[in-house]
Amino acid sequence: NAGVMQNPRHLVRRRGQEARLRCSPMKGHSHVYWYRQLPEEGLKFMVYLQKENIIDESGMPKERFSAEFPKEGPSILRIQQVVRGDSAAYFCASSPRRQITGELFFGEGSRLTVL
Amino acid sequence: AQTVTQSQPEMSVQEAETVTLSCTYDTSESDYYLFWYKQPPSRQMILVIRQEAYKQQNATENRFSVNFQKAAKSFSLKISDSQLGDAAMYFCAYRRETSYDKVIFGPGTSLSVIP
Repeated sequence: NAGVMQNPRHLVRRRGQEARLRCSPMKGHSHVYWYRQLPEEGLKFMVYLQKENIIDESGMPKERFSAEFPKEGPSILRIQQVVRGDSAAYFCASSPRRQITGELFFGEGSRLTVL
Repeated sequence: AQTVTQSQPEMSVQEAETVTLSCTYDTSESDYYLFWYKQPPSRQMILVIRQEAYKQQNATENRFSVNFQKAAKSFSLKISDSQLGDAAMYFCAYRRETSYDKVIFGPGTSLSVIP
């Protein structure tokens, strides 16, 4: 049973370019969460999605950041016109439709470096 | 708003000894989950232990146990017989049980294990 899959694992972008990070949840999971971890800091919530719906985007920056979870395919976190401050590890997590244990299952993260 | 506090940015322990990591949280909810996640240098987020707030009995997983004090909103992690592989960042986390809510993480405690 494959876990949460994130790609790319490492992404390098120059300032002003776009970054796209992808996340495939665990099989049977329909809820996806994105977190950002800046160097030497904890995980900060960004957005929570179900298929075709954004449920909670209270942690998303108002500009340049967007997320989607289409009916088919992975969830995508998109960062437009990246700046150096966007350099971070971005983690995706998933949980099942029926909440039993409450935990989130995490991918290995995507590390974005902005030059 | 719910918050999670970890007052120990760094801790160290001698191999085979016991260490306790502190965590406090703030919530007005009565039903929730608490977690300890471990993040080794690989950066993978690994669930160490979970506690449901309605359970009075403290959770235990092998060498890991918690001291859950609901009234005091305290949730400490005890690691017994510490091993070199326990060296990592440890994050305390909270999640409401009443809905598919986000997990809120504390800032983390960096644990070093001294051979």
